[in-house]
Amino acid sequence: DAGVIQSPRHEVTEMGQEVTLRCKPISGHNSLFWYRQTMMRGLELLIYFNNNVPIDDSGMPEDRFSAKMPNASFSTLKIQPSEPRDSAVYFCASSWDRSTEAFFGQGTRLTVV
Amino acid sequence: AQKVTQAQTEISVVEKEDVTLDCVYETRDTTYYLFWYKQPPSGELVFLIRRNSFDEQNEISGRYSWNFQKSTSSFNFTITASQVVDSAVYFCALVGNRDDKIIFGKGTRLHILP
Repeated sequence: DAGVIQSPRHEVTEMGQEVTLRCKPISGHNSLFWYRQTMMRGLELLIYFNNNVPIDDSGMPEDRFSAKMPNASFSTLKIQPSEPRDSAVYFCASSWDRSTEAFFGQGTRLTVV
Repeated sequence: AQKVTQAQTEISVVEKEDVTLDCVYETRDTTYYLFWYKQPPSGELVFLIRRNSFDEQNEISGRYSWNFQKSTSSFNFTITASQVVDSAVYFCALVGNRDDKIIFGKGTRLHILP
């Protein structure tokens, strides 16, 4: 397996534009996580899915953020409209279950200007 | 509430010194799982070790060792004879038994000076 695959690796967009981040988890993993990493706040859990169902989205900062997992092999995180304070590295991770380690993608570095 | 505290924000040591990274956790679950991850300057997050709450055996892997003590709710990580390649941010993480949410500490940035 190629691991968790995220795209794009880098995204630069203008304030107000819609941004969509994509993630392909490791095949067979039941849980998928979206994290945001900034210097100030560290690694924040935004949302996680179990068996494609959103379980906890309490970390999603506001209504501008939304996430979907239409099937076991694909998830998206959308920001609409984007703002400069959304600039961060966004990581997707997947795991088999809570007792096993999560595997992280390479991250998407988002810059909103 | 579940929480992971890494009190050391940044540590610098000279190469070949030993260094210990502290991790203190809080949970009400009787079964839980602890993890350490490494984030080198290239940015990816790399899994290092997993520990179950019912297994307090310490572990050694080469120059790395982990000391799990339930009595003090700590899961500390020691690097022996540090090397420049150990320079990274290290994260401690916790998963309880009620959901799959992975709670990360703020991380410790480790600088190994040549």
